[in-house]
Amino acid sequence: DAGVIQSPRHEVTEMGQEVTLRCKPISGHNSLFWYRQTMMRGLELLIYFNNNVPIDDSGMPEDRFSAKMPNASFSTLKIQPSEPRDSAVYFCASSFGGYNEQFFGPGTRLTVL
Amino acid sequence: AQTVTQSQPEMSVQEAETVTLSCTYDTSESDYYLFWYKQPPSRQMILVIRQEAYKQQNATENRFSVNFQKAAKSFSLKISDSQLGDAAMYFCAYRGETSYDKVIFGPGTSLSVIP
Repeated sequence: DAGVIQSPRHEVTEMGQEVTLRCKPISGHNSLFWYRQTMMRGLELLIYFNNNVPIDDSGMPEDRFSAKMPNASFSTLKIQPSEPRDSAVYFCASSFGGYNEQFFGPGTRLTVL
Repeated sequence: AQTVTQSQPEMSVQEAETVTLSCTYDTSESDYYLFWYKQPPSRQMILVIRQEAYKQQNATENRFSVNFQKAAKSFSLKISDSQLGDAAMYFCAYRGETSYDKVIFGPGTSLSVIP
């Protein structure tokens, strides 16, 4: 298996632009997580899905952030409009419920100018 | 709510020596999972070791082992024969038993290995 795939690996955009981050979980995994990592705040859980259904989005910072999981093999995290304070590394992770450990993607480094 | 605490923001160890990273957690559940993740400068998060709460035996993976004290809610990571490649950020993490339980990560410990 190729592991969790994220794209793009790096994204540089200007304030006010829409940003879409993509994630393909490991085949067979039924839980998917989006995290944000910054030096100041560490690793923050934004939202997680189980069987494609959002279970907890309490970590989503504000309405500018939205996430979807239209099927078991794809998820997106969208920021619209983006702001400089959104600059961070965004990780996607997946797991199979019964086994529990999460497998992380390589992350997307987002820079908002 | 569950919490995970790592009281050592930074640690250092001489190459070939042993180092122990501390982690404590708070939960009212009896069944759960605990993990240690490693994040090297490449930023890739890598699972180092995991422990099921119902198992009394401490998990071991090569040079990595844990000291799991359920009553004390303590889950420390011991790295033996430290290598330069062990230099990384280490995160302790907790997850409840079901798929609906999110993983709670600690703030991390930055480990430096001195040649």
